[in-house]
Amino acid sequence: EAGVAQSPRYKIIEKRQSVAFWCNPISGHATLYWYQQILGQGPKLLIQFQNNGVVDDSQLPKDRFSAERLKGVDSTLKIQPAKLEDSAVYLCASGPGTGYEQYFGPGTRLTVT
Amino acid sequence: SQQGEEDPQALSIQEGENATMNCSYKTSINNLQWYRQNSGRGLVHLILIRSNEREKHSGRLRVTLDTSKKSSSLLITASRAADTASYFCATDPPKSWSGGGADGLTFGKGTHLIIQP
Repeated sequence: EAGVAQSPRYKIIEKRQSVAFWCNPISGHATLYWYQQILGQGPKLLIQFQNNGVVDDSQLPKDRFSAERLKGVDSTLKIQPAKLEDSAVYLCASGPGTGYEQYFGPGTRLTVT
Repeated sequence: SQQGEEDPQALSIQEGENATMNCSYKTSINNLQWYRQNSGRGLVHLILIRSNEREKHSGRLRVTLDTSKKSSSLLITASRAADTASYFCATDPPKSWSGGGADGLTFGKGTHLIIQP
């Protein structure tokens, strides 16, 4: 079974530029999550989708971050404009439903200079 | 904000010994999960224990949960060099809080485990 796919794996941008990350979840998984992991810390939830609807985006900095999940499958996370403190690994995860384990992708390492 | 706090922050043991990591959390939970993260394989799910369970086993892993103390422990028996990684506990909110929908995880800062050959 294929795992969660993410691209790109690495991205370096200058502050105030914009960037987008892509995630393809495990086939059939209804829930999709985006997490931000800053070096030395545990992942922090940014947004959760159930199919193509947002379930929880309470921790998403909506002035600069946006995410969508079209057709309830792939998802994109965008940052515009980026700040230095956005440097982190962005992890996408999917799950068969709420209350189950989550399967994480390899992440996208973002460096903002 | 961080919900879980793992203890210790770092642990170094000899191969073959047992490793115990603890996790404390602050608010009510639905489930508690343990994940492992290393540079080679990313973040991998290890075990999920529900709030009405007290102990769970999976291979060399044993997890306990004490909801009265808001704490959990992860025991890895007969450690191997390949167990070297960071271990995180993660909790999701109780269904009464989220309406049954939101179950995004809140992670601690992790325990960095090193197995010496």
